Amino acid sequence: QKEVEQDPGPLSVPEGAIVSLNCTYSNSAFQYFMWYRQYSRKGPELLMYTYSSGNKEDGRFTAQVDKSSKYISLFIRDSQPSDSATYLCAMKDATGGTSYGKLTFGQGTILTVHP
Amino acid sequence: EAGVTQFPSHSVIEKGQTVTLRCDPISGHDNLYWYRRVMGKEIKFLLHFVKESKQDESGMPNNRFLAERTGGTYSTLKVQPAELEDSGVYFCATGTGGYGGYTFGSGTRLTVV
Repeated sequence: QKEVEQDPGPLSVPEGAIVSLNCTYSNSAFQYFMWYRQYSRKGPELLMYTYSSGNKEDGRFTAQVDKSSKYISLFIRDSQPSDSATYLCAMKDATGGTSYGKLTFGQGTILTVHP
Repeated sequence: EAGVTQFPSHSVIEKGQTVTLRCDPISGHDNLYWYRRVMGKEIKFLLHFVKESKQDESGMPNNRFLAERTGGTYSTLKVQPAELEDSGVYFCATGTGGYGGYTFGSGTRLTVV
């Protein structure tokens, strides 16, 4: 069983839609949770990180963590064609900060927002 | 601030040959990581340097892979001899070790034929 499960999609939505991306995990040691966006032929780019259960909002993006259910989500409001990319969840244990130690990634969800 | 630079961006080699990938980190980032994505699979951790020391190499697949970090600056990942299953995209990421996130390079796409 994979430590992190993420539906690879692909997911296709119209412009303006609310997008929900999800990951589940099995390792209770994971304490930091991140969402990365990856455009084609580019490296992953950090969107958000959280380390507690609850919601964190940044503009059109909201990250949600439920540690009791081992479930994290990323919501994108008012989606735009420029949001079309692969979205990766990633997580790590509590050692050091959020830029220390190995990340465990989900498989990534391919999102297309069409005009 | 310059980002994480990886080269070559793409390499095609024959099975049995040797390939060396290079990563130039962001200046001041002591933590350097190598990851790999094989087609259809998730990005997987290979190893972690703190300055020039290997902190964690638990993800290295076998002894055909050798990573070095000279003087705590740039890093190289050598595959010798390359096998077909080594094909994939190799990412380098660096970080300060504190909070915030890792910065990834654009990756090296390795194709072994």
